[in-house]
Amino acid sequence: RKEVEQDPGPFNVPEGATVAFNCTYSNSASQSFFWYRQDCRKEPKLLMSVYSSGNEDGRFTAQLNRASQYISLLIRDSKLSDSATYLCVVQSGGSYIPTFGRGTSLIVHP
Amino acid sequence: DAGVIQSPRHEVTEMGQEVTLRCKPISGHDYLFWYRQTMMRGLELLIYFNNNVPIDDSGMPEDRFSAKMPNASFSTLKIQPSEPRDSAVYFCASYSRAGGPVDTQYFGPGTRLTVL
Repeated sequence: RKEVEQDPGPFNVPEGATVAFNCTYSNSASQSFFWYRQDCRKEPKLLMSVYSSGNEDGRFTAQLNRASQYISLLIRDSKLSDSATYLCVVQSGGSYIPTFGRGTSLIVHP
Repeated sequence: DAGVIQSPRHEVTEMGQEVTLRCKPISGHDYLFWYRQTMMRGLELLIYFNNNVPIDDSGMPEDRFSAKMPNASFSTLKIQPSEPRDSAVYFCASYSRAGGPVDTQYFGPGTRLTVL
């Protein structure tokens, strides 16, 4: 089983839709969780951290479920500019070295 | 700050040639990472340095790959000899662990390598 798994998609949604991605991780000792965004032919950039209590940043909501070992990202009112690949990142407590998922591709169309 | 700087941005070379990729991390960052990204394998960690010292190179695919960090502001990733399967985007990233857990890695723009 891979350490961090994501559905590669693509998720093809119309503008204004709500879309959610999940990411599962295998190491129960994982401590820190993040979502990165990668635009086509660009570098990954931090979108948001994922806290135990969940967190929201505008149209984006991230949740952590430790019992089931997954994190989620919810995007409300999708914009064309949200089209990108969303990478799930997990760090174990001891190493601080991140493990990246393969990414989920999102395409928002008019 | 200029962010993480990588050069060249694009490299096309022939099989068997030596390739050197360069990275300048963000000033003050004490960790530097080299990644490779392909469609098939996603983003793979090749090697990382802490305070210029290589800590884990278990991701380096084989002896043809080597990395150095002679000082805090410069690192190289060398492939010798290069092969077509090395074609990928190579990213350098840096962060600072000073004071606590990592918040974010900062990635450079990447070097797109094509080996013919």
